[in-house]
This record gives sequence, structure tokens and C-alpha cells, in this order.
Amino acid sequence: DAKTTQPNSMESNEEEPVHLPCNHSTISGTDYIHWYRQLPSQGPEYVIHGLTSNVNNRMASLAIAEDRKSSTLILHRATLRDAAVYYCILRWGVLDTDKLIFGTGTRLQVFP
Amino acid sequence: DAGVTQSPTHLIKTRGQQVTLRCSPKSGHDTVSWYQQALGQGPQFIFQYYEEEERQRGNFPDRFSGHQFPNYSSELNVNALLLGDSALYLCASSPGRMNTEAFFGQGTRLTVV
Repeated sequence: DAKTTQPNSMESNEEEPVHLPCNHSTISGTDYIHWYRQLPSQGPEYVIHGLTSNVNNRMASLAIAEDRKSSTLILHRATLRDAAVYYCILRWGVLDTDKLIFGTGTRLQVFP
Repeated sequence: DAGVTQSPTHLIKTRGQQVTLRCSPKSGHDTVSWYQQALGQGPQFIFQYYEEEERQRGNFPDRFSGHQFPNYSSELNVNALLLGDSALYLCASSPGRMNTEAFFGQGTRLTVV
């Protein structure tokens, strides 16, 4: 299973943008990049995913490097509700497999 | 839509006992996966069920077993409980297509004493 590397923790102030980095230097051509987050006392929730192009949705944006060896999750205006552990995950895209391999993630603190 | 529901929410068992955890997937989802999350760690994949069969399995001993019913709900069974089995057990469901998002339940907190 391909590995990802994320900082253990990051801090932000409310209403400021947040850039959460992820390194995945061993990514293969068929790996999709997924991001999930886990709020305190809850199960993980899906944030966004992409393959090669940058992606936007109502929650966040995903910027993928041209060589795909790194990516950045962008929260455009952090809110207190965004305080969570963010997981960057590679998922094999060849077969119909839904297994998620979580690392330890990045714990994001948001200050008012 | 109730989303993914798990029961019970909390459970305390004694070492050596057996436990059964239950999961109802989100409406329309036919694939159920189970994860174990120790304190301070990310979730670890246990196994996945699709069409009532175990399709994939993570690095967990045979003490961990499961079942999927015709209505797609699922059970996780753990035999001969160890103290180290204390964790949050998460169920996730998905529609079984490639690279769709998985929906997680709130989890069952199992404490083994």
C-alpha cells in the first residue's frame, strides 16, 4: 500500500485560509488521492478526492502537484468546526476496492 | 436518510469474552467495511463485505470475523477478547463502485477490562 506523509499538527486562525500538505512520493499512476477528516468523537467524513487535476467542492479544494508526488488540501476560510484530524489517503483505482489506509493524519487547531 | 448507524455506542467486556457489533449501512449502499481505531491512531482496516462475502481482509487475526446479511447490514464478531482490543470500531458503507466516498458511522467504543 502506498504511503503518505503529513505534518502531525497545524494551527490556523478563524476565517483564514489553511493549506494542509501531503507527500506521496511512491504514488502509482492508478492511485487516487482522497482526503477525509475526523471531528472529535465522530467517525471520519469524506472531504474530497482527485487523480491528476485540481478539484473543488463546497468543503475544500485539492491542489495536486504536476508529478503527483504531493498534494495540498485547501480550506479557504477556516471555521471552528474545521478543527479535526485530516487524513490524506491513496486509493488504488484499478479494481473496485474501497479499502482506506489511514496514517496518523494532521491535527488542525483553529483559534477564534 | 439515517446514514450509517452502529450499535451499541459503548460496550464494556471482560478479557476472554466474545462481542458482536452491528452496523446498518446508508440506504442504497451494498458494501460494508470495518475499521479499528486505537486511541491517538488512525483507523485500521479490518475487513470488507460485499454480496454477503468477505472481499478483503486487513492484518487482523481470525478472532475477528464478520457477516453481512441480505439487507446489507453487517456484524463484527471478536472472540477471546484481549485488553488490546479496546478501541473505537468504525463501520463504513459505500455503493461499491470504484473510488466513491465512504460514509462512516459514529463507531462503537469497546473497552476490555
